[in-house]
Amino acid sequence: NAGVTQTPKFRVLKTGQSMTLLCAQDMNHEYMYWYRQDPGMGLRLIHYSVGEGTTAKGEVPDGYNVSRLKKQNFLLGLESAAPSQTSVYFCASSYRGRPFYTGELFFGEGSRLTVL
Amino acid sequence: AQSVTQLGSHVSVSEGALVLLRCNYSSSVPPYLFWYVQYPNQGLQLLLKYTTGATLVKGINGFEAEFKKSETSFHLTKPSAHMSDAAEYFCALFTGNQFYFGTGTSLTVIP
Repeated sequence: NAGVTQTPKFRVLKTGQSMTLLCAQDMNHEYMYWYRQDPGMGLRLIHYSVGEGTTAKGEVPDGYNVSRLKKQNFLLGLESAAPSQTSVYFCASSYRGRPFYTGELFFGEGSRLTVL
Repeated sequence: AQSVTQLGSHVSVSEGALVLLRCNYSSSVPPYLFWYVQYPNQGLQLLLKYTTGATLVKGINGFEAEFKKSETSFHLTKPSAHMSDAAEYFCALFTGNQFYFGTGTSLTVIP
């Protein structure tokens, strides 16, 4: 079982460059999330998706875009990277129960991004 | 507003001693509560969860937590710390829309 897979695991960018982080899950989960983790700040939600073709903003969406063209994939894009986006990014997924409950989050191993 | 507060960003215990990590929450709806553990350079793994029913929940690796509605708390405990318990621990709240995480508690186990 691969679970949640993130690529790449490490990346160094220069200010102004763009890049995309890919998250793939093989559990047929409906919900997918992108978080960033910074020292002393816990996990902050960037964007999330409740199903294929839908996305929504989280707590810290500025500077990021996302797409969910396929149920199993959730892409996080940085159009013009800034040093403030240096962080560890985690993708997570969960199933949706009925009527509203979602199961616990399953996390990828993280993508460490450095913006110089 | 929904929020999670973890008291103590760093906790140190001796090997074999009781582990107590504190979590308080604020929620306007019945909460679902979770504890996650993160080992260095890894993602978060679920330790245990409370949704409904029994307020004392048991998780993996000997951890347990008790949901106390009157105190809005969900503290994590383990009777006897092991060296392998050294990690970052996160309390999380789910309120039907999204998850809210605490800022984490780093547990150090002293041999």
